[in-house]
Amino acid sequence: EAQVTQNPRYLITVTGKKLTVTCSQNMNHEYMSWYRQDPGLGLRQIYYSMNVEVTDKGDVPEGYKVSRKEKRNFPLILESPSPNQTSLYFCASSLRGQTQYFGPGTRLLVL
Amino acid sequence: QQQVKQSPQSLIVQKGGISIINCAYENTAFDYFPWYQQFPGKGPALLIAIRPDVSEKKEGRFTISFNKSAKQFSLHIMDSQPGDSATYFCAATAGNQFYFGTGTSLTVIP
Repeated sequence: EAQVTQNPRYLITVTGKKLTVTCSQNMNHEYMSWYRQDPGLGLRQIYYSMNVEVTDKGDVPEGYKVSRKEKRNFPLILESPSPNQTSLYFCASSLRGQTQYFGPGTRLLVL
Repeated sequence: QQQVKQSPQSLIVQKGGISIINCAYENTAFDYFPWYQQFPGKGPALLIAIRPDVSEKKEGRFTISFNKSAKQFSLHIMDSQPGDSATYFCAATAGNQFYFGTGTSLTVIP
């Protein structure tokens, strides 16, 4: 089954404790992206990647890091999480310029 | 600054009615305008999309109307059904960057 998977689905952490949210797709897509979804703000793009070792900032990259060492994986790293990063995070993938397929989301709470 | 402005924030429609959601943008570099549907606890899923060289696209009960000169586009859901109750997001892309509207929560009353 073609899909985008994210782990963990739910995460509670404390301020300053580094965390990684994993994202993997099995569709051989070149393009992958991370979004955060907040009430009243919709989805905002954090980072995107056009291929292995090629990443770029989206609209709200501050406080986040990404890497793309393999085509199928695109982890999101929060080096020092803060409460304002409490949000619902989505990973998405697509062939370049085509439909994005979204993962199921990761709900993060930073205390 | 919101690149894509979406309205209304919420919408209640009777079963069988027409649901209309509107979006507006300013950046003329946008070249792809998708609409996504999101059910609670799920990720957004593509519903229908249009490119700016087309003024209308219809897929089943869903239609996008696109007005390039006004920089506006809208989603029309004909014969709305309770199963259409979800949050709808418009979006616009320029190159590899995607910008989403703030979402419309649609409730279709039986």
